[in-house]
Amino acid sequence: IAGITQAPTSQILAAGRRMTLRCTQDMRHNAMYWYRQDLGLGLRLIHYSNTAGTTGKGEVPDGYSVSRANTDDFPLTLASAVPSQTSVYFCASSETGTGGTDTQYFGPGTRLTVL
Amino acid sequence: GQNIDQPTEMTATEGAIVQINCTYQTSGFNGLFWYQQHAGEAPTFLSYNVLDGLEEKGRFSSFLSRSKGYSYLLLKELQMKDSASYLCAVMDSNYQLIWGAGTKLIIKP
Repeated sequence: IAGITQAPTSQILAAGRRMTLRCTQDMRHNAMYWYRQDLGLGLRLIHYSNTAGTTGKGEVPDGYSVSRANTDDFPLTLASAVPSQTSVYFCASSETGTGGTDTQYFGPGTRLTVL
Repeated sequence: GQNIDQPTEMTATEGAIVQINCTYQTSGFNGLFWYQQHAGEAPTFLSYNVLDGLEEKGRFSSFLSRSKGYSYLLLKELQMKDSASYLCAVMDSNYQLIWGAGTKLIIKP
């Protein structure tokens, strides 16, 4: 593994179902992030974690939850999916989460469709 | 509120030069990033500016004026592979990135 992996690559989900998007990084970065990207809008932060064991809410956290049990993994859970959660989801990581030069590196994304 | 503005779409010719502008209003400033995103792929880091002036990196350069809340990305000697979206993002006082919607750059032969 080199960098960040996400699974699944794509998913079609019935409304009301529970879904967990997986994200794993092997760069030993402290900070991890979940974004959604929708046409015509910038990337929007859902949740973030600056270190294992801590998480924080971003701009659009409603309907999503995260956990950070260890440094490498940062799963995103949709408890009860709704059609407005149809989007492309990107996981990212950065070395510290608290520095100005802290560059974020992105996984390949998960394309989620909720019907 | 926080706002990042950049043009939706630009067209340029192979071999030419193009400048993509970005203006921002954010709560605090800890640097400005440019990312490239090819269709269906993840964003990849291009440049970072925190001080006023020009940063050059090969065919790509990025400029920042903090007093004007303005940046641009300059791409020289355009190649077909430069067809992509270019995302401007500002790191705010909480060290979170605020993203523009991106500029889709179309390169014509």
